[in-house]
Amino acid sequence: EVQLVQSGAEVRKPGESLKISCKASGYSFSTHWIGWVRQMPGKGLEWMGIIYPGDSDTRYSPSFQGQVTISADKSLNTAFLQWSRLKASDTATYFCARGFYSSKWDYYFDSWGKGTLVTLSS
Amino acid sequence: SYELTQPPSVSVSPGQTANITCSGDALPKQYGYWYQQKLGRAPVLVIYQDTERPSVIPERFSGSKSGTTVTLTITGVQAEDEADYYCQSGDNSDFYPVVFGGGTKLTVL
Repeated sequence: EVQLVQSGAEVRKPGESLKISCKASGYSFSTHWIGWVRQMPGKGLEWMGIIYPGDSDTRYSPSFQGQVTISADKSLNTAFLQWSRLKASDTATYFCARGFYSSKWDYYFDSWGKGTLVTLSS
Repeated sequence: SYELTQPPSVSVSPGQTANITCSGDALPKQYGYWYQQKLGRAPVLVIYQDTERPSVIPERFSGSKSGTTVTLTITGVQAEDEADYYCQSGDNSDFYPVVFGGGTKLTVL
């Protein structure tokens, strides 16, 4: 059974750094893409980026390029999403999801983590 | 940036058919995907590559495409189908290989 277990809720102040995680099990971590998706309170889904753990090939949405860093550790079967300086507008739930690359140059996600709620409070 | 357009809401009575549309200029060349998200839960893939249904998804869910529009159809809607539904596709370039529609709230009356 494919499982993606995300780290717990976080409360941070603007300007602080943060790294959240997504631990995969039940499949070959190195040979499947892992994507990250943001959902702000009461809003829709926004794609942030995606990584291929096998060679760390990473692609970012232009909307999130330079704002976050996506990484993966094959030895831990874990993907990460990190911020160096959080902003109040980063308050959201962040989902990781296993990705597939289709023959039409896009990705889709067949299994999702439960999400990590990140709350910014001054 | 590339956009996928969905109606904000759709309402149907139990047992009826719900059609949720998603429009985008690149859809004739790109696949459409659909996710169901119930309140407070993670999204679930219900349709991939326009018309394919994961084995765990009930047969009442189906997908279709015509021109620049993909459609999610739920035949014989049940109360448990009440949720937000998001379409997803790519823009046929390296810039936006993943784009989500704004979401449609399905209300079962």
